[in-house]
Amino acid sequence: DAKTTQPTSMDCAEGRAANLPCNHSTISGNEYVYWYRQIHSQGPQYIIHGLKNNETNEMASLIITEDRKSSTLILPHATLRDTAVYYCIVRVWTGGATNKLIFGTGTLLAVQP
Amino acid sequence: GAVVSQHPSWVICKSGTSVKIECRSLDFQATTMFWYRQFPKQSLMLMATSNEGSKATYEQGVEKDKFLINHASLTLSTLTVTSAHPEDSSFYICSARDPRVSGEQYFGPGTRLTVT
Repeated sequence: DAKTTQPTSMDCAEGRAANLPCNHSTISGNEYVYWYRQIHSQGPQYIIHGLKNNETNEMASLIITEDRKSSTLILPHATLRDTAVYYCIVRVWTGGATNKLIFGTGTLLAVQP
Repeated sequence: GAVVSQHPSWVICKSGTSVKIECRSLDFQATTMFWYRQFPKQSLMLMATSNEGSKATYEQGVEKDKFLINHASLTLSTLTVTSAHPEDSSFYICSARDPRVSGEQYFGPGTRLTVT
C-alpha cells in the first residue's frame, strides 16, 4: 500500500472549517483513500473514503485531486469534540480477507475555542 | 456504523501472569478481525489478522507464542498476552470487518493493559 504524508499538527478555530491535507504521491490506480480519526484513549472512528471522486457524508467531505496524488479532508464546522488525531490511509480494496489498515503518524487537530 | 466491543476496558496484572482480552462484533458477523497495539503518543501498530476458524496471521516482529489469538466464532476474537511483562503495557485495540458494508472496518474502544 502507498505511503502517506500528513502534517504533524494543526490548529483550527471552533466553528470554522478544518482542512486536513494528505499527500499520497505513489498511490496506485486501485487504491482507495481512507480517513479515520482517534479521539484520545478511544478506538479509531471511520470518517470517509473515496477512490477518485469527491465524497461527502454527514461528518466530512473528501476532496481528491485529479491526479490522485493528494487529498484534503474537510470538517465544515469544527467543534471542540473534533479535536483528535486524523489518519489518512491508502489501501487496495479487493474485498479479500487480507486487506488491512496500516496507520501512519496522522495529524493532531486541535480545535480552539 | 457497526458496533465492536472490547472487554475489559482496562486491566492491571502482575508480571508473569496471562491476561485475555475479548473483542466482539455486536451487530454483524466478522470473518476477519484485527488486533493493534498502541504505545503512548504513538500510532497504532497492527499485530495480527484473525480469521474465523483458522490460525491468525502475525505481522513481522510480533511473537505468536506470546500473543495468542483465537477467533472461534464469527462474533468473537480473543487476544491472550502470556507471561506478561511491564513492556507489554499498552493500549490494545481490535477491529472487525463488516462484510455488509463493502467490508469496512470498525474499531473497538480499546483495552488499557498495565503490567506491574
